[in-house]
Amino acid sequence: QVQLQESGPGLVKPSQTLSLTCTVSGGSISSDDYYWNWIRQHPGKGLEWIGYIDYSGSSYYNPSLKSRLTISVDRSKSQFSLKLRSVTAADTAVYYCARGGASGSPDYWGQGMLVTVSS
Amino acid sequence: QTVVTQEPSFSVSPGGTVTLTCGLSSGSVSTNSYPSWYQQTPGQAPRTLIYSTNIRSSGVPDRFSGSILGNKAALTITGAQADDDCDYYCVLYIGRDVWVFGGGTKLTVL
Repeated sequence: QVQLQESGPGLVKPSQTLSLTCTVSGGSISSDDYYWNWIRQHPGKGLEWIGYIDYSGSSYYNPSLKSRLTISVDRSKSQFSLKLRSVTAADTAVYYCARGGASGSPDYWGQGMLVTVSS
Repeated sequence: QTVVTQEPSFSVSPGGTVTLTCGLSSGSVSTNSYPSWYQQTPGQAPRTLIYSTNIRSSGVPDRFSGSILGNKAALTITGAQADDDCDYYCVLYIGRDVWVFGGGTKLTVL
C-alpha cells in the first residue's frame, strides 16, 4: 500500500520560502495513473487544495497561490516537493501531501506537517 | 471565484441516516466534477471515503455511499455510529486542472 511522508522545516520566517518534500513508498511515483497533490489546513479551518503535479512533470496550481508556488518531482528519489515563496503568518498551516487517483482527487494521504511562519 | 458549499453542521441520531451535500456557488455538480468525500477526526489526516462520485475507498464500510442528488453531490451515512461524529469534507473538480474543497460539515451523532 502506498505511503506518503512529509518532511521539512517546521518553522519559517516571514518573507522566506517554505520548502516541503513528500517521500512516496509502496508505489511508483512515475506511474501515469496518478497525480501528486499538496493540500493545507489552517489551524481550526477547512482543507485547501494547493496544487498537484502529474506523471509528466506538469504542475497545476490553486489560482490564489499560483504566483508564489512551485511543485516539482524527483523520480529518482521517489519524492515530490512544494516551494511557497514570500510567506506570511497566513501561510501557517498543516501541510499534507496526497496521491491523486485517475481523476486527480486525493486518495492516499500523508500524516501532515505543521509549518509555522514566525520570526 | 468558485465556492464549494457544504452544510456547516448536521446532527443525526445513533442508528439514523443522514445525507450531507456538496454544491457549487454557481452551476451544478455532475459526475464530471468527480466529487470525493473525506472524513477527518481532530488531529488526524483526512481519510478518503468516496471518490469519483460513488466509489468507496478500500476498507470503507458500505454504510457510506455517494451520489448526485439534484444539482449537488451527496454523501449518505446509514446506521450512524458514535465514531461517525467528526468533520466531513468534499472536493470538486471545477475545470482547468483546479480542485476546490468545501468548507466542511461537522456531524454530531447524538
